[in-house]
Amino acid sequence: NAGVTQTPKFQVLKTGQSMTLQCAQDMNHEYMSWYRQDPGMGLRLIHYSVGAGITDQGEVPNGYNVSRSTTEDFPLRLLSAAPSQTSVYFCASSYLGGHGEKLFFGSGTQLSVL
Amino acid sequence: RKEVEQDPGPFNVPEGATVAFNCTYSNSASQSFFWYRQDCRKEPKLLMSVYSSGNEDGRFTAQLNRASQYISLLIRDSKLSDSATYLCVVNMNTGFQKLVFGTGTRLLVSP
Repeated sequence: NAGVTQTPKFQVLKTGQSMTLQCAQDMNHEYMSWYRQDPGMGLRLIHYSVGAGITDQGEVPNGYNVSRSTTEDFPLRLLSAAPSQTSVYFCASSYLGGHGEKLFFGSGTQLSVL
Repeated sequence: RKEVEQDPGPFNVPEGATVAFNCTYSNSASQSFFWYRQDCRKEPKLLMSVYSSGNEDGRFTAQLNRASQYISLLIRDSKLSDSATYLCVVNMNTGFQKLVFGTGTRLLVSP
């Protein structure tokens, strides 16, 4: 079982560049989300989706765009990378109706913005 | 005050020891509680949910104290493989978008 697949695992960008972090899940989960994890801080929600065609902002959405054209895929786009976006990014998915249990995470993307 | 607070540690314990972590939360209306485990440079994974009556899973026991607004995790007979960071996760309402993650408590188990 693939679960939640994130690519790339590592990425270095220059300030102002754009890129897309890919996330795909094969568990038919309705809920998908993106988090960032920074030292000394808990995971913070960037954007989330409760189904294809439905997205919403989380706690720290500025500088990021998402779309959900299929149940399986939930890409995260950095429009114009900034050093403050240096972080580890995790995609996560789950079935709707839960409260936090069985949140499946991808293996993460380490992003550095120079 | 942070919504979810944990002692970052590290907690250094020998194999076989019993160790306990606490986590406090600020919102008295919080609905559900979890412990996730995160190995170094890996993704978080659910360790266990925390129920009002307390629950046990092998060597792990989780408890909830709503009056004092904290949850705890007790690990008995620590193994080297328990070395990890333990994340306290609180759902402030319903729906995944209200999940708040603590910064984690690091545990190091030594031979």
